[in-house]
Amino acid sequence: DAKTTQPNSMESNEEEPVHLPCNHSTISGTDYIHWYRQLPSQGPEYVIHGLTSNVNNRMASLAIAEDRKSSTLILHRATLRDAAVYYCILRAGDNAGNMLTFGGGTRLMVKP
Amino acid sequence: EPEVTQTPSHQVTQMGQEVILRCVPISNHLYFYWYRQILGQKVEFLVSFYNNEISEKSEIFDDQFSVERPDGSNFTLKIRSTKLEDSAMYFCASSPTVMTTEAFFGQGTRLTVV
Repeated sequence: DAKTTQPNSMESNEEEPVHLPCNHSTISGTDYIHWYRQLPSQGPEYVIHGLTSNVNNRMASLAIAEDRKSSTLILHRATLRDAAVYYCILRAGDNAGNMLTFGGGTRLMVKP
Repeated sequence: EPEVTQTPSHQVTQMGQEVILRCVPISNHLYFYWYRQILGQKVEFLVSFYNNEISEKSEIFDDQFSVERPDGSNFTLKIRSTKLEDSAMYFCASSPTVMTTEAFFGQGTRLTVV
């Protein structure tokens, strides 16, 4: 699997937007960009995914660079419940493999 | 909202004993997975299962591990002879399709081998 690079930790204030960056310079043309998060003492939870275009859902937005070598997960208004480890994962879309390879992720701390 | 259910939430077992971890995936899903997370470490893939057979497995998933879908609703992970280093959180996940959609994870079973 192509590798992703994320900052180890980030801090945010409650009710402010948060931009979580991810670099994936070796991404291949068939790799989808997935974001998951893991709240304390819980299993991973899907957040959003995309291929080339920016994506929005009820949880977050995903901004993908034009060359696809980086992406940014945007939480529009952070709440205390958003404090979690956020994982940026590349997942092959060409039957090369179907597992998720989790890295260390970014630990997001939200201050009241 | 449909969810993946895992039982038990916590299992304590003696070294060398067999243990079975149980999962009920979301009912219309076709792909099933086991992952584990040793305390303080990354989430690691163990195995994926589709159409009643293993489709992919990691190096961790050796002969001590096996998976089964015995009755069309449950999905189990068996560890034949547990070791201390098998102590971890074990997460089951399921997906409706494999490549481009999300995996839904259960809350996990904490396995403690003593």
